[in-house]
Amino acid sequence: GEDVEQSLFLSVREGDSSVINCTYTDSSSTYLYWYKQEPGAGLQLLTYIFSNMDMKQDQRLTVLLNKKDKHLSLRIADTQTGDSAIYFCAESIRRDDKIIFGKGTRLHILP
Amino acid sequence: GAVVSQHPSRVICKSGTSVKIECRSLDFQATTMFWYRQFPKQSLMLMATSNEGSKATYEQGVEKDKFLINHASLTLSTLTVTSAHPEDSSFYICSPDRETQYFGPGTRLLVL
Repeated sequence: GEDVEQSLFLSVREGDSSVINCTYTDSSSTYLYWYKQEPGAGLQLLTYIFSNMDMKQDQRLTVLLNKKDKHLSLRIADTQTGDSAIYFCAESIRRDDKIIFGKGTRLHILP
Repeated sequence: GAVVSQHPSRVICKSGTSVKIECRSLDFQATTMFWYRQFPKQSLMLMATSNEGSKATYEQGVEKDKFLINHASLTLSTLTVTSAHPEDSSFYICSPDRETQYFGPGTRLLVL
């Protein structure tokens, strides 16, 4: 069945890079997403990657996809206090299909 | 600015009452709306898909008579939690079916 797994917590010092990892089971996943949820707020789409890509970079964010291992990662360079949030990995087969979410990784920034 | 709004943002109700949550798309027409539910420290789960002018499609395990969804217009979809119980306390989020995945700000429901 469809499943998305990610670690629940990550602590990183301010200024360091954060790497959040995710694995998924559905090999037919076409779209892979990273969402950010700040306390008390809804989800915000950070970035997404097509399954035929292996890397996408957008400013401080770098997404790496290993389709063979069904492994997705989100790297945040120069982590700031404003990056403190829960990050959700998600996948869907089509762009207009339902999205399957992981449980979210809570990123904690250490001073 | 926001493209999807939800009302109310937070609601506290007594057990047994019904609560209606509105989701509005502000700048566009949404023929399809996804409704998600998020439990504390858990992932978002898709509850149902509402389609303008027709019946909603519910995910397995979601009681359609308890979670009533109405999508009467292209800019408004509503989720009504009927006879709410404490276990219905959760964060409910809507998302229109669009090229870019927008989400509403969410409605936090607390049933006492």
